[in-house]
Amino acid sequence: EAGVAQSPRYKIIEKRQSVAFWCNPISGHATLYWYQQILGQGPKLLIQFQNNGVVDDSQLPKDRFSAERLKGVDSTLKIQPAKLEDSAVYLCASSSDRERYEQYFGPGTRLTVT
Amino acid sequence: AQSVTQLGSHVSVSEGALVLLRCNYSSSVPPYLFWYVQYPNQGLQLLLKYTSAATLVKGINGFEAEFKKSETSFHLTKPSAHMSDAAEYFCAVSDTGGFKTIFGAGTRLFVKA
Repeated sequence: EAGVAQSPRYKIIEKRQSVAFWCNPISGHATLYWYQQILGQGPKLLIQFQNNGVVDDSQLPKDRFSAERLKGVDSTLKIQPAKLEDSAVYLCASSSDRERYEQYFGPGTRLTVT
Repeated sequence: AQSVTQLGSHVSVSEGALVLLRCNYSSSVPPYLFWYVQYPNQGLQLLLKYTSAATLVKGINGFEAEFKKSETSFHLTKPSAHMSDAAEYFCAVSDTGGFKTIFGAGTRLFVKA
């Protein structure tokens, strides 16, 4: 079984530029999560999808962050414009309906904003 | 509201020694509890989970954790550390629906030869 795929693995941009991250969850997993992990901290949930719909986006800075999950499969997270404090690892995870609490994580995208 | 506190941002043990990583939680509903491990430049991997069955939970790589409701704790242990155990460990709590998972700040485990 293929795991959660993410790309790119690394990205360096200047502040005020835009960036997008892509995630392909495990096949058949209905729930998809995006987390932000700042150096030295645990992952913080940004947004959670159940199929196409948003379950929780309470911690997503909506003035600059957006996310979509078209057709209930792949997902894209965008930041526009980026700030220095957005430097972090962005983790995507997915889980099945049968065991929603058991999350499988991708390798993450390390973003550096200069 | 739920929260997780991991005591000690860094723990260092000798190879072959007992590993003990501490985690305390706060939850207004019966919690599900997890330990994840993260190796450098990788995502998180589930080590073990407590989902209201047996209070002593065994996971992968020889790790286990015990749910103690009276102490609101879920400490992670391994009898004998191996060099390959060096990584960052995260404790997490979620509600029983699994809709929201809160992670602790993490504990980095160092294993000395």
